[in-house]
Amino acid sequence: EAQVTQNPRYLITVTGKKLTVTCSQNMNHEYMSWYRQDPGLGLRQIYYSMNVEATDKGDVPEGYKVSRKEKRNFPLILESPSPNQTSLYFCASSRTGKISPLHFGNGTRLTVT
Amino acid sequence: KNEVEQSPQNLTAQEGEFITINCSYSVGISALHWLQQHPGGGIVSLFMLSSGKKKHGRLIATINIQEKHSSLHITASHPRDSAVYICAVGGTSYGKLTFGQGTILTVHP
Repeated sequence: EAQVTQNPRYLITVTGKKLTVTCSQNMNHEYMSWYRQDPGLGLRQIYYSMNVEATDKGDVPEGYKVSRKEKRNFPLILESPSPNQTSLYFCASSRTGKISPLHFGNGTRLTVT
Repeated sequence: KNEVEQSPQNLTAQEGEFITINCSYSVGISALHWLQQHPGGGIVSLFMLSSGKKKHGRLIATINIQEKHSSLHITASHPRDSAVYICAVGGTSYGKLTFGQGTILTVHP
């Protein structure tokens, strides 16, 4: 089954403790991207990747890192999480980053205390 | 002013009504996406448009590139259509995506 898999679904952590949210797709998509969703602010793009070893900042990249060492995986790294990073995170992929439908993961709800 | 504006923000309808959600944008785009998000659920892509009109079941999406405007129509609405509908535009700088604030649709039986 074609899918984008995010893990974990829920995560509660403390300020400053490094964490990684994983994202994997099995559709051989070139494009992958991370978003956060906050009440009143909607969805905002954090980082995106047009292909392996090609990543770019979205609108809200501060406090986040990504890597794209292989096509199927695009992990989101929070080196030193802070409470303002408490949010609902979505990963998405598409065949290309140009004109292709998006496929979203199920989301990761992160709470930083 | 946001780059992507949706209207209305909230919409309540009776089952069977015809529904229209609007999306206006201020930048050049490569494509426009309509997304659906059910309460507590994930996000599903409904349409991706770069021109013209697309139809899938009871859903129709149109885009007018010159006017920088898109509409999502739902014919014969049903309570299961209750969800948040989100417009997103892909800019001419490929890869970047900007989202509207979303429209909360509630359809009553």
